[in-house]
Amino acid sequence: AQKITQTQPGMFVQEKEAVTLDCTYDTSDPSYGLFWYKQPSSGEMIFLIYQGSYDQQNATEGRYSLNFQKARKSANLVISASQLGDSAMYFCAMRVWSGNQFYFGTGTSLTVIP
Amino acid sequence: KAGVTQTPRYLIKTRGQQVTLSCSPISGHRSVSWYQQTPGQGLQFLFEYFSETQRNKGNFPGRFSGRQFSNSRSEMNVSTLELGDSALYLCASSLGPRGAMNTEAFFGQGTRLTVV
Repeated sequence: AQKITQTQPGMFVQEKEAVTLDCTYDTSDPSYGLFWYKQPSSGEMIFLIYQGSYDQQNATEGRYSLNFQKARKSANLVISASQLGDSAMYFCAMRVWSGNQFYFGTGTSLTVIP
Repeated sequence: KAGVTQTPRYLIKTRGQQVTLSCSPISGHRSVSWYQQTPGQGLQFLFEYFSETQRNKGNFPGRFSGRQFSNSRSEMNVSTLELGDSALYLCASSLGPRGAMNTEAFFGQGTRLTVV
């Protein structure tokens, strides 16, 4: 069975500081992808970053980077230089390559303080 | 290119009625999957369609159904609405049916359904 765990229900960060959102996963499938999505209050799920299980390097997309530690089964999202517009819910999700279904964590609510 | 389009954005229905939601995927994407999001249960997988065929189904009652058209647009239908069906319904658009093809997956803005 596939499982995503996000242990931080809420996080606060000062504007311009970096923040790490934790995500651990569990799967017996050797081929999978890990995703992070941002969900503002409007409801739309905004794709942030992707990491494949066979990727050697950590993924980066602008201010977002994914700290992928395969042995620990963790895929933490790092947001550098936080902005007020980063305040939102953040979801970690996984897909295994044998299917197409997303498995989501429970999310982390991030609040950026001016 | 245009993103994933879900219509309508908001719906209010009465218990016992039925509802149809629509999702138009990104051009070139042929796989559409649906998710229900509630505060209590989080994000739960409903079903996935590819080439007009349902490929996978989550653990939801038969009142929830869907279909996909030849242009990849998908609809989901909920019959005999219950109060507990109130949720944000999101659809996701991907290239194809297998994860190895799908390093990107984009969601629509969702349809917020309220059952009264």
